[in-house]
Amino acid sequence: ETGVTQTPRHLVMGMTNKKSLKCEQHLGHNAMYWYKQSAKKPLELMFVYSLEERVENNSVPSRFSPECPNSSHLFLHLHTLQPEDSALYLCASSQDPPPRGTNSPLHFGNGTRLTVT
Amino acid sequence: AQSVTQPDIHITVSEGASLELRCNYSYGATPYLFWYVQSPGQGLQLLLKYFSGDTLVQGIKGFEAEFKRSQSSFNLRKPSVHWSDAAEYFCAVGGGGTSYGKLTFGQGTILTVHP
Repeated sequence: ETGVTQTPRHLVMGMTNKKSLKCEQHLGHNAMYWYKQSAKKPLELMFVYSLEERVENNSVPSRFSPECPNSSHLFLHLHTLQPEDSALYLCASSQDPPPRGTNSPLHFGNGTRLTVT
Repeated sequence: AQSVTQPDIHITVSEGASLELRCNYSYGATPYLFWYVQSPGQGLQLLLKYFSGDTLVQGIKGFEAEFKRSQSSFNLRKPSVHWSDAAEYFCAVGGGGTSYGKLTFGQGTILTVHP
């Protein structure tokens, strides 16, 4: 039990499909993140939500659309993806702001393995 | 800009041997440093973190790491490796304040443990 739950664990979709990834955290955190993990590349931060407001968008293509309806739930809506978007998508949460003099560690879910065909 | 380098892509050790995974960082201010571990098909689990104070930090599963400012390093160590330690290890750097959660990760080091 990681405290951060992601569904589905695996997803295969065609380039014309529309699908959504879901993340739920049970840790009482108020910041949530989407990271992309591709083979042989460092983790890439995609989006950051703090108190349900998007505070970071790292030049992610518009075919990825995040949604954060409340501090416990985060979605990533996908449409017209490309094969190069195949990757492990990791959700994480943390407490914002962190205690003074610290940096609140990220707590990750197990990820959704996305394959675009 | 901040960056993290993990020079070793893949390390193989025998069970019971000691382990050191290297991490070098670049950061303009006081860094906050982390080590995460990822088992196949799983997310990342926090092993340990350094914010300030004692430069030798203890983590879970018998791991420790030493912060050396002069060398910009934060190497991960374990005196005796177990087969269950086989996984991929990630070093990360971030800042405090408004930089919460915006970690920069290294490319990872895959650890293989031989019986």
